[in-house]
Amino acid sequence: GAVVSQHPSWVICKSGTSVKIECRSLDFQATTMFWYRQFPKQSLMLMATSNEGSKATYEQGVEKDKFLINHASLTLSTLTVTSAHPEDSSFYICSARPGLAGGGGTDTQYFGPGTRLTVL
Amino acid sequence: QKEVEQDPGPLSVPEGAIVSLNCTYSNSAFQYFMWYRQYSRKGPELLMYTYSSGNKEDGRFTAQVDKSSKYISLFIRDSQPSDSATYLCAMSAKSGNTPLVFGKGTRLSVIA
Repeated sequence: GAVVSQHPSWVICKSGTSVKIECRSLDFQATTMFWYRQFPKQSLMLMATSNEGSKATYEQGVEKDKFLINHASLTLSTLTVTSAHPEDSSFYICSARPGLAGGGGTDTQYFGPGTRLTVL
Repeated sequence: QKEVEQDPGPLSVPEGAIVSLNCTYSNSAFQYFMWYRQYSRKGPELLMYTYSSGNKEDGRFTAQVDKSSKYISLFIRDSQPSDSATYLCAMSAKSGNTPLVFGKGTRLSVIA
């Protein structure tokens, strides 16, 4: 149980194009999903917190107009990197926090396998 | 002072050794503590989840939480080369939508 998938697993794009990354919770409903980026040999850097049906909360220094997040259902969140540039090349990882009926949840997060983005 | 401190290593041990990984933290509100294992170019995998103080054992892994000292540990017994990975500690206060706070991760190599 508690499986999170990401698609695509890797993507190469040209500078100036937009890239969409999908994050799905496969066997549970996720009221909250998180998006992180990770540079080589560095720890996870939280980009934004996404709650189903509401606007994402972005961390300081993360451009919300550049990194568009949509959490339209309890099992799917998407991150769109708009007008990508080489400095956006990174490993993007999502995580999902299970929600329980009645509004309770847990503090455990389950991570997807990550998406490696290379912008040429 | 950062909220969570974790020695980045690298830590190299021979196969079969007992490995001790540690994190310290400054926020006394943290109550939920996790250890994740991350292989290169993969997403983190949840290894252990503990609430408040005490020990929790799962196979070769034991997690310890000492809230009075703001110190958590992960012990790996009979370490194997397949345990070679980066280990991240993470923690949160009691709040449903509070993001986890991660340590920087410790790179572990188990040498056959």
